[in-house]
Amino acid sequence: QVTLKESGPGILQPSHTLSLTCSFSGFSLSTYGMGVSWIRQPSGKGLEWLASIWWNGNTYNNPSLKSRLTVSKDTSNNQAFLKVTSVDTADTATYYCAHTTGRGYYFDYWGQGVMVTVSS
Amino acid sequence: DTVLTQSPALAVSPGERVTISCRASESVSTGMHWYQQKPGQQPKLLIYGASNLESGVPARFSGSGSGTDFTLTIDPVEADDTATYFCQQSWNDPTFGGGTKLELK
Repeated sequence: QVTLKESGPGILQPSHTLSLTCSFSGFSLSTYGMGVSWIRQPSGKGLEWLASIWWNGNTYNNPSLKSRLTVSKDTSNNQAFLKVTSVDTADTATYYCAHTTGRGYYFDYWGQGVMVTVSS
Repeated sequence: DTVLTQSPALAVSPGERVTISCRASESVSTGMHWYQQKPGQQPKLLIYGASNLESGVPARFSGSGSGTDFTLTIDPVEADDTATYFCQQSWNDPTFGGGTKLELK
């Protein structure tokens, strides 16, 4: 059974760095074809893919945010991480992590999401 | 970016058939997937690869299309299907449609 759970600061100030953790079970990020992706959703709005990290360490970022995003993983502890630098109010959203496979680059298991508010 | 366009809202009666459309700004082959999101919940995968039903999803849901035009069909619609439905393409960097809010009369 695949499960994922996001954790993060809840609230942070503009210009700071957002650090999020995705803790998962039911799969390994060292297994061929496995990946974890980050997706966010401002309240009442649509979904935006942010970044993905794969079993082989390859990472892919949304070009519109590329320079601000860093994804990484800790395979032995079944965790993936997202850092977003220089946040502003536009980064206020619910952030999800999701299991992804190379078979089709879709998101078949999602965490419950963590709400992040950027406010001074 | 590959832009996906969905109609914003639909209203149908229980027992009816509903089709939700998604149009891509360029061909995505069959790299189209559909999600259901209920208020306060995370999205749930319904259809992958344009027409493949995700395990555990009722057979009332089906998907079709290729290239730029795709459809999610629910037949028959049930009260529990009230939700927002998003399409997502994976031919290029993943992008999502704006979502179609389905309401039941």
